[in-house]
Amino acid sequence: DTGVSQNPRHKITKRGQNVTFRCDPISEHNRLYWYRQTLGQGPEFLTYFQNEAQLEKSRLLSDRFSAERPKGSFSTLEIQRTEQGDSAMYLCASSLLGQGSEQYFGPGTRLTVT
Amino acid sequence: ELKVEQNPLFLSMQEGKNYTIYCNYSTTSDRLYWYRQDPGKSLESLFVLLSNGAVKQEGRLMASLDTKARLSTLHITAAVHDLSATYFCAVGDDTDMRFGAGTRLTVKP
Repeated sequence: DTGVSQNPRHKITKRGQNVTFRCDPISEHNRLYWYRQTLGQGPEFLTYFQNEAQLEKSRLLSDRFSAERPKGSFSTLEIQRTEQGDSAMYLCASSLLGQGSEQYFGPGTRLTVT
Repeated sequence: ELKVEQNPLFLSMQEGKNYTIYCNYSTTSDRLYWYRQDPGKSLESLFVLLSNGAVKQEGRLMASLDTKARLSTLHITAAVHDLSATYFCAVGDDTDMRFGAGTRLTVKP
């Protein structure tokens, strides 16, 4: 399968714990995005990378959130000191640099904070 | 701030009928995307519209873009049950992509 993959698919954690998600983009894609989606809503942009550089961060991304993309390949999204409000689906997408390049989404990681 | 509004948010239709979903956005953009999402699944790209007057068709779905009116439509022709899903439009560029709230479509036999 050459699509975008994400791990884990589901994560249940207790409030205050740290969690880390991984995203493996389509291999030739140099852009990688993270979104958050809550029930009944569209995805909300969190951040994006071009190769290994993090070029944009949404104001939704509090100091508890950090994302990395070492070597411009896979990416990780870490949430520290999780709160119940962090419960959501976290989606990763990748695309090729170029105007209008569509984003291909992974299956998502569903986070539940208890 | 870019805002994207879809309507209707919920749509129940009979098989064989036609209907249109509307996507309005608040600021100038020359890129608009339509995605489909099945329950519990991720988003599947349907259409990428890059210029005023762009029209794309795939099967029973046709999307169009009017950048002057800041409006895109997704037209469904002769709906079938397999089209039941949530449809999102998204507007913007790589640094600021905004999604609408989605239209939950149910096609009944």
